[in-house]
Amino acid sequence: EIVLTQSPATLSLSPGERATLSCRASQSVGSYLAWYQQKPGQAPRLLIYDASNRATGIPARFSGSGSGTDFTLTISSLEPEDFAVYYCQQRSNWTFGQGTKVEIK
Amino acid sequence: QVQLVQSGAEVKKPGASVNISCKASGYTLSSYYMHWVRQAPGQGLEWMGIINPSGGSTSYEEKFQGRVTMTRDTSTSTVYMELSSLRSEDTAVYYCARLELVLGGYDYWGQGTLVTVSS
Repeated sequence: EIVLTQSPATLSLSPGERATLSCRASQSVGSYLAWYQQKPGQAPRLLIYDASNRATGIPARFSGSGSGTDFTLTISSLEPEDFAVYYCQQRSNWTFGQGTKVEIK
Repeated sequence: QVQLVQSGAEVKKPGASVNISCKASGYTLSSYYMHWVRQAPGQGLEWMGIINPSGGSTSYEEKFQGRVTMTRDTSTSTVYMELSSLRSEDTAVYYCARLELVLGGYDYWGQGTLVTVSS
């Protein structure tokens, strides 16, 4: 079973700052990795698919990179609505990472 | 527009079963796989399984094998997830999510169904 490990668990940043979130797979998943954003009381929302492709309607400040076992989600300049929890997911056995909370510093 | 509407919150006793529905509209149910994902209070997302509404085939996360059953009724565009032998650790919000194969991700989600297991 492929395990995804996200780091850090919590990221404390101010609006306008750059956020860099990491997702590491226990074995290669190729480029088959997605990122989701979840706000309290809401279902997750797809941000990035196939490691680097923005889903429909996702702002350009969100970008994904990586392949194999190491992936990164970058938010170039945090907007107030970006403070949320972010999850990665791979589609070999569909498991999620444990999440990274981006909170206001 | 595409919508996934789930059934309402449930309170169950340990050992009981729960059956959650997810009614799809705005598209043809059999054209997209449906996944079920749950989230315990304050915890992360946990993948449970997948159903292919076209033929009804399923695949479940190993930890739920023997306790979970996913079915579909194409005549009503509804998928169902039944979880049996409930225990307190099954208290969670359960989501259905449509898999967009080209994206390899979930483009639409249900609103979630809270299941509380308590004696």
